[in-house]
Amino acid sequence: EPEVTQTPSHQVTQMGQEVILRCVPISNHLYFYWYRQILGQKVEFLVSFYNNEISEKSEIFDDQFSVERPDGSNFTLKIRSTKLEDSAMYFCASSGYRGDEQYFGPGTRLTVT
Amino acid sequence: GIQVEQSPPDLILQEGANSTLRCNFSDSVNNLQWFHQNPWGQLINLFYIPSGTKQNGRLSATTVATERYSLLYISSSQTTDSGVYFCAVKDYGGSQGNLIFGKGTKLSVKP
Repeated sequence: EPEVTQTPSHQVTQMGQEVILRCVPISNHLYFYWYRQILGQKVEFLVSFYNNEISEKSEIFDDQFSVERPDGSNFTLKIRSTKLEDSAMYFCASSGYRGDEQYFGPGTRLTVT
Repeated sequence: GIQVEQSPPDLILQEGANSTLRCNFSDSVNNLQWFHQNPWGQLINLFYIPSGTKQNGRLSATTVATERYSLLYISSSQTTDSGVYFCAVKDYGGSQGNLIFGKGTKLSVKP
């Protein structure tokens, strides 16, 4: 069964450093998403991506964040200068069409020290 | 925006017991999903159920879209069912497809 994959599973970085989280969505899906979950809290939407551009973003997704689909398979989330409060689990998801079931990856746990 | 409320927030069961988790939402939806977050933090898709009833083994779910709620039933619970159960919805409004999550129900199944 096709699945969304994410790398790395855990990343530790120092405050102020740049990080890139990687995702490989399901191959025939058209919509891609990033969500995050701060420890003990609910999952929050960050950004959606369709047709090679951002289609929607939340208030959390400020200028420190960017997304890219550098090739036909990868979908990346970059945090330019990490802060302590960026420590969270980051989930990538994909769906075939808008409103369809979203399939989530296993997540990347980001720890900023 | 749409509000999602889950109840109860915490639930402790003895192994073998049955349970019902509830998700209320404040507006019409065209996507509703149930997830199980395991102890490693992974979100496991349980059901995609914007309306109707589905069953998968010991789990089943029902969404009554006109009354704006969904129920997740767990029968004969096992310790491996422990974790947090999230309901997530997408409304019919202008959003491009992002899911709005509830705060979850934390289930602990004791042996």
